[in-house]
Amino acid sequence: AQTVTQSQPEMSVQEAETVTLSCTYDTSESDYYLFWYKQPPSRQMILVIRQEAYKQQNATENRFSVNFQKAAKSFSLKISDSQLGDAAMYFCAYRDYNYGQNFVFGPGTRLSVLP
Amino acid sequence: DTEVTQTPKHLVMGMTNKKSLKCEQHMGHRAMYWYKQKAKKPPELMFVYSYEKLSINESVPSRFSPECPNSSLLNLHLHALQPEDSALYLCASSQHRDNSYNEQFFGPGTRLTVL
Repeated sequence: AQTVTQSQPEMSVQEAETVTLSCTYDTSESDYYLFWYKQPPSRQMILVIRQEAYKQQNATENRFSVNFQKAAKSFSLKISDSQLGDAAMYFCAYRDYNYGQNFVFGPGTRLSVLP
Repeated sequence: DTEVTQTPKHLVMGMTNKKSLKCEQHMGHRAMYWYKQKAKKPPELMFVYSYEKLSINESVPSRFSPECPNSSLLNLHLHALQPEDSALYLCASSQHRDNSYNEQFFGPGTRLTVL
């Protein structure tokens, strides 16, 4: 079975600085998708960024980018120019490419942004 | 409209009560999900509806009974719950269940407390 690990339960970053959240996963599949979801204190989870495993190019969305290392099974999230609104729980998630697969979520990393 | 709404926001119930949680989306999505989330933990999948039919029940106790009256609405009927069922209940929807690339849109959740 696939597993997702986030080794940093909590992290903090100074406003305007850059922070990297780590995620590793274990799978025997070659085709899959990886996601980062953000859950602010209001609790509504939103998608931050997603990556298709067959694409070598790292996904970027404005201040958010990933470092996808397929061989190492690593999928870290970099947040540049951190803002107070980035404070949230961040979940890394894996999903098989195959039909109708469910998410496998990591345990989450709580990010605090210091003014 | 990219919103999933959930009512009520908070619910306190006794172990003998019967209550229902409601979820609604108007994005034309044909897959809807119920998740249970304990504090500081990732969401755990409970049920999946695809085209208004129950397609996944993750071995959830029968005191939780899902219902999908139409493509926009998802209910979770609660009866004879236990204190350990206290959690945040999240609803989500996606365009189709089949495509693993599809983003899931989450609602803000219902905070349930069982006394």
